[in-house]
Amino acid sequence: EMQLVESGGDLVQPGGSLRLTCAGSGFTFADYSMSWVRQAPGKGLEWVANIKQDGSEKFYVDSVKGRFTISRDNAKSSVFLEMNSLRVEDTAVYYCVKWSGTRDPYYYYGADVWGHGTTVTVSS
Amino acid sequence: EIVLTQSPAILSLSPGETATLSCRASQSVTRYLAWYQQKPGQPPRLIMYSAFNRATGISSRFSGSGSGTDFTLTITDLEPDDFAVYYCQQRSNNFGPGTKLEIK
Repeated sequence: EMQLVESGGDLVQPGGSLRLTCAGSGFTFADYSMSWVRQAPGKGLEWVANIKQDGSEKFYVDSVKGRFTISRDNAKSSVFLEMNSLRVEDTAVYYCVKWSGTRDPYYYYGADVWGHGTTVTVSS
Repeated sequence: EIVLTQSPAILSLSPGETATLSCRASQSVTRYLAWYQQKPGQPPRLIMYSAFNRATGISSRFSGSGSGTDFTLTITDLEPDDFAVYYCQQRSNNFGPGTKLEIK
C-alpha cells in the first residue's frame, strides 16, 4: 500500500523555523514528483511547493518564496519542507502529496496519494 | 497567475439527486484540471484527473467534462457518502475555493 507520513509540525513563535518531513513507502519514491499542500483552519486547500523526481526543479507559491525550501532524499524516500521566518498566516495542516505520473506532464494523472498531515501553529 | 473559481459555493441536494459542480479558470489550462473530494478530518482524495478521467476506485456516478477554462464535475444518484467539499486544481498548482455539497 502506498503511504505518506508527515512529521515535524509544532507550535512556533512568529519569526521562527520548522522542518517538516514526509516519509514515503509502498512505491518507488525516486520515480515521482512530490508536493506540499496546506490548509488553514476552516479554509480551503493551498498549494505550497513542488519538487521534481531528481530535485532539479522546484516551484513555490509566491507567499512562501524566499522563506520555504523544498528538498528530497530519494535514498531515504523522504521529502522535506524547511520553513523560516514563519508568520501567523502560515498556521495550517501541511499535507505531503505524491503525483501519479512518472513522465512530464507529471500532473496529468493527478495527485493520487496524500498523507494525513502535520499541524503547524505560528503564535506568540 | 491562473485563478480558479468554483460555483456554487454551497450546493444543497438530497440523496438520489444529481449534483453539477463548476470550476472556471481565468485562462486556459487546456485539460489539466483535477477534482478532489475532502471530508471533515480527512485528507483530500483524487476523484478526476485531466478533466474527464476517473481516478482508481471512483464510482461511474462521477463524471467530468470541459477543457480550456470551463470544467464541470457531475455526480448522479447522490449517495450519503458523496456529501463533502470538492476542490478543483489546475496542473500541480493552485486550487479553487471549493464547493460544499451538503444534504438538504
